[in-house]
Amino acid sequence: NAGVTQTPKFQVLKTGQSMTLQCAQDMNHNSMYWYRQDPGMGLRLIYYSASEGTTDKGEVPNGYNVSRLNKREFSLRLESAAPSQTSVYFCASSVHRSSGYTFGSGTRLTVV
Amino acid sequence: ILNVEQSPQSLHVQEGDSTNFTCSFPSSNFYALHWYRWETAKSPEALFVMTLNGDEKKKGRISATLNTKEGYSYLYIKGSQPEDSATYLCALNTGNQFYFGTGTSLTVIP
Repeated sequence: NAGVTQTPKFQVLKTGQSMTLQCAQDMNHNSMYWYRQDPGMGLRLIYYSASEGTTDKGEVPNGYNVSRLNKREFSLRLESAAPSQTSVYFCASSVHRSSGYTFGSGTRLTVV
Repeated sequence: ILNVEQSPQSLHVQEGDSTNFTCSFPSSNFYALHWYRWETAKSPEALFVMTLNGDEKKKGRISATLNTKEGYSYLYIKGSQPEDSATYLCALNTGNQFYFGTGTSLTVIP
């Protein structure tokens, strides 16, 4: 049972490049989330998907797009990366929006 | 955006000491309070979920209490061990969204 799998683990991008962070869960969870972790700040929600077929903005959605491809997969896309998007990104899933999370191992992204 | 505060920001204790730290949150937006343990280079792992005022949860040497009326939760570690070294995160669950604190970083010195 893999839980929540994120890829890649590390990535360096040049300003203006695009990329997609992948997330998949095998726990049959309904809800999935993307957070970013920055020094001195708590985890901040970028986007979430309460159920398959729905997505909603979180606290810091600007510069990102998401796709809930199916119940298992929830991807995060940076269309034109900026240095301010240098962060550690965590995907998480939960049975439903009010239950506890299972987190992925994180993606460390550096934009130069 | 709700403000969830954790204190202290960091803590160093000797092996065998007991310790505790605090999570404060706006009590008017409460659905549940979650505690997570986050080791360096790993992902956060769920410790407790608490929903009722006066709730007390325990897992081994770690326990937590909840006061929803005044908006705080305490996490206690009895007889700290080096393997307890981690960041302890709390998160306020409003039913619609989670709001995370910045964590308390605990270092247990052997």
